[in-house]
Amino acid sequence: DIVMTQSPDSLGVSLGERATINCKSSLSVLYSSKNKDYLAWYQQKPGQPPKLLIYGASTRKSGVPDRFSGSGSGTDFNLTISSLQAEDVAVYYCQQYYSTPPTFGQGTKLEIK
Amino acid sequence: QLQLQESGPGLVKPSETLSLTCTVASASVSSSDYSWGWIRQPPGKGLEWIGTIYHTGTSHYNPSLKGRLTISVDTSKNQFSLKLTSVTAAETAAYYCAGHPSFCANGVCFTRYFESWGQGILVTVSS
Repeated sequence: DIVMTQSPDSLGVSLGERATINCKSSLSVLYSSKNKDYLAWYQQKPGQPPKLLIYGASTRKSGVPDRFSGSGSGTDFNLTISSLQAEDVAVYYCQQYYSTPPTFGQGTKLEIK
Repeated sequence: QLQLQESGPGLVKPSETLSLTCTVASASVSSSDYSWGWIRQPPGKGLEWIGTIYHTGTSHYNPSLKGRLTISVDTSKNQFSLKLTSVTAAETAAYYCAGHPSFCANGVCFTRYFESWGQGILVTVSS
């Protein structure tokens, strides 16, 4: 199984500041023949199911605010929130879908500093 | 936007079978646009993929659960279901159903990202 490791485990950021979460995979998730990274990011607020934010490492799902962006390739990825809003407080997960079983990172808890 | 809703018992005894159903609205479970999966999350912990049934009718299960898991589709009710036998207390979790794209080629299918999720159902395994 591909192991996904996120850092940090928790992060405190001031309102309006930038937040960056890192995700590393134990194997490359770049599907070279399609030049696509098979990596997704989710946001989970308390008591709610996860919500898909980004897939293909950098493609925002329709309706997701453009302050959320994904970057990286191969084994090293970032989720960046350009200007933190109060409603962004949540746990964020990365997920690889390059191989079966699809696997998730352990989660990063984002709080307001 | 897909709408999904889990249903089933919230309490299951150890060694018994956990059975859950997911009802899909705004899409057909027979659609080739989607496949159907289950993911679980123990209280306060992370996410674990359980398994997927693809639009082709084939399925993939998490190897850690192999032999105990069955995922099936009921097209007449537009539902899909999960049955997990011989459960233990460690399998107490919120269980989510999800609709997602998949890729199939040469008879083999692959799960992609989980596009739409149900609200989840907490299942406690306890005597």
